[in-house]
Amino acid sequence: DAGVIQSPRHEVTEMGQEVTLRCKPISGHDYLFWYRQTMMRGLELLIYFNNNVPIDDSGMPEDRFSAKMPNASFSTLKIQPSEPRDSAVYFCASSTGTLRAFFGQGTRLTVV
Amino acid sequence: ELKVEQNPLFLSMQEGKNYTIYCNYSTTSDRLYWYRQDPGKSLESLFVLLSNGAVKQEGRLMASLDTKARLSTLHITAAVHDLSATYFCAASYNQGGKLIFGQGTELSVKP
Repeated sequence: DAGVIQSPRHEVTEMGQEVTLRCKPISGHDYLFWYRQTMMRGLELLIYFNNNVPIDDSGMPEDRFSAKMPNASFSTLKIQPSEPRDSAVYFCASSTGTLRAFFGQGTRLTVV
Repeated sequence: ELKVEQNPLFLSMQEGKNYTIYCNYSTTSDRLYWYRQDPGKSLESLFVLLSNGAVKQEGRLMASLDTKARLSTLHITAAVHDLSATYFCAASYNQGGKLIFGQGTELSVKP
């Protein structure tokens, strides 16, 4: 298996633009997590899904953030409109729930 | 709400020395994880600890779990430069859901 695949790896966008981050979890994993990592706040859990259903989105910072998981092999995290303070590394991870979570390579987002 | 705290946050070690990183969590957790992150890279899973008294070892790293004290430790034996990285612990409940991370411990091993 190729592991958790995220795209793009780097994204630079202007303030106010819509940004969509993509994630393909490991096949067979039924949990999917979106994390944000910054120097100031560390690793923050934004939202997680179980069997494609959002279970806890309490970490989503604002209504500008939304996440979907239309099927077991794909998830998106959308920011609209983007702001400079959204600049961070966004990680997607997947697991079977009982074992360790595997992380993707991350998307480094810069909003200018 | 589950909270996870690590200490120390920064650790500078000499090669060959031993040290321990501590991870405390605030509420009952059904499993504890340790991850490693190299600068600019993703997180790599090191250990999963599932029960009280669990001990896992790989190479110079050994992790243990005391669920009564809500404490996990990562012990480093005879540190080498290759161990320089940031180490995170994470706790979860609900059988793997809601994985919450500590702040991370930045380890620097110097010759």
